[in-house]
Amino acid sequence: EIVLTQSPGTLSLSPGERATLSCRASQSVSSSYLAWYQQKPGQAPSLLIYGASSRATGIPHRFSGSGSGTDFTLTISRLEPEDFAVYYCQQYDSSPVTFGQGTKLEIK
Amino acid sequence: EVQLLESGGGLVQPGGSLRLSCAASGFTFSSYAMSWVRQAPGKGLEWVSAISGSGGSTYYADSVKGLFTISRDNSKNTLYLQMNRLRAEDTAVYYCAKGITAQSGWFDPWGQGTLVTVSS
Repeated sequence: EIVLTQSPGTLSLSPGERATLSCRASQSVSSSYLAWYQQKPGQAPSLLIYGASSRATGIPHRFSGSGSGTDFTLTISRLEPEDFAVYYCQQYDSSPVTFGQGTKLEIK
Repeated sequence: EVQLLESGGGLVQPGGSLRLSCAASGFTFSSYAMSWVRQAPGKGLEWVSAISGSGGSTYYADSVKGLFTISRDNSKNTLYLQMNRLRAEDTAVYYCAKGITAQSGWFDPWGQGTLVTVSS
């Protein structure tokens, strides 16, 4: 199965700053079959990005996804207070689908 | 509005059984694959099982194969997960999620989750 490794484990930033989260796959994820989710404490995950770079319905433009092959990035251009949460990447190129271990974005 | 509402979680002894349900609304249930994804306390996300829209194809993580059974009743817009021979490591919040296909795709949306605790 494809192992996804997210870095950093924790990212401490201030509102207004730019956040860059990384997701690296143990083998190539073809057709950019990669998604990103946001999870706030006590809530279910919610979809942010699919197809590596397509924003889900209602997701603000400050969220963007990029990458291909084995290296993918989620960028939040200017952090809002509500963006501090845990972020997970997921690959759906190969069965079983797998998730990264998550990156916690915390307020500095 | 698409909504998923899980139920059936609770405290169960090791070796016991539990059946989770997920009631769906706001979309044509039979047209979509559905999955169960779990999250152990303080841990990340683990895909557990998926079923095609018709119910004719099912898939399981190796960790639950032979122990859990996924099913659906399209007449009731409900997804199920029968969990047998439960172990402590099955303790988690179980989410149902609407998928794309049973073997691939992203999950959107997710239910609010139901907590399963396996303990004596």
